[in-house]
Amino acid sequence: EVQLVESGGGLVQPGGSLRLSCAASGFTFSSYAMSWVRQAPGKGLEWVSGISGSGGSTHYADSVKGRFTISRDNSKNTLSLQMNNLRAEDTAVYYCATFPSYDYGDFELDYWGQGTLVTVSS
Amino acid sequence: SYDLTQPLSVSVALGQTARITCGGNNIGTKNVHWYLQKPGQAPVLVIYRDSNRPSGIPERFSGSNSRHTATLTISRAQAGDEADYYCQVWDSSLVVFGGGTKLTVL
Repeated sequence: EVQLVESGGGLVQPGGSLRLSCAASGFTFSSYAMSWVRQAPGKGLEWVSGISGSGGSTHYADSVKGRFTISRDNSKNTLSLQMNNLRAEDTAVYYCATFPSYDYGDFELDYWGQGTLVTVSS
Repeated sequence: SYDLTQPLSVSVALGQTARITCGGNNIGTKNVHWYLQKPGQAPVLVIYRDSNRPSGIPERFSGSNSRHTATLTISRAQAGDEADYYCQVWDSSLVVFGGGTKLTVL
């Protein structure tokens, strides 16, 4: 059974940093591209970032480019999102999700974690 | 950037058919995926690549895609189908979501 468990969320001040993790199990982690998607309170889904199975290809939404860094450790089956220079508008539940493919590309997100809440506030 | 337009809300009588649309420029040339999300829960994939159902998704859920509109159809709507529904496409190496539609079953 595919399991994705996010952690690392919490309260952080504007301008601060936070690192999210997503622990994956139940599948061959290194064979699949991954993604982060967020959802601000009461709002819709917003794609944040994606990474290929090898980690060699990364992509970001314009809203986070230059501030967030996606990475993965295939030896530990872990996906990460380093978030720097956080803003109030980054407040959201952050979900990790899998693509059904090795390459980041034109595919659906077939499995999702339960999310971790990030609150940016002074 | 590519915009996807969904109605904010759709209502359907219990047992009837609900149709949720997702509009976009030449969306018929793209693969469209649909997710449902119930309050406090993570999104769940219900239709992928226009009209394919993941295992475990009832046959009552179907999808179509043509020219400028993709449609998620839910037949014989049940109370448990009440949720927010999101369409999603891929455009210029980015994942794009529609704004979401709240489905109410009356």
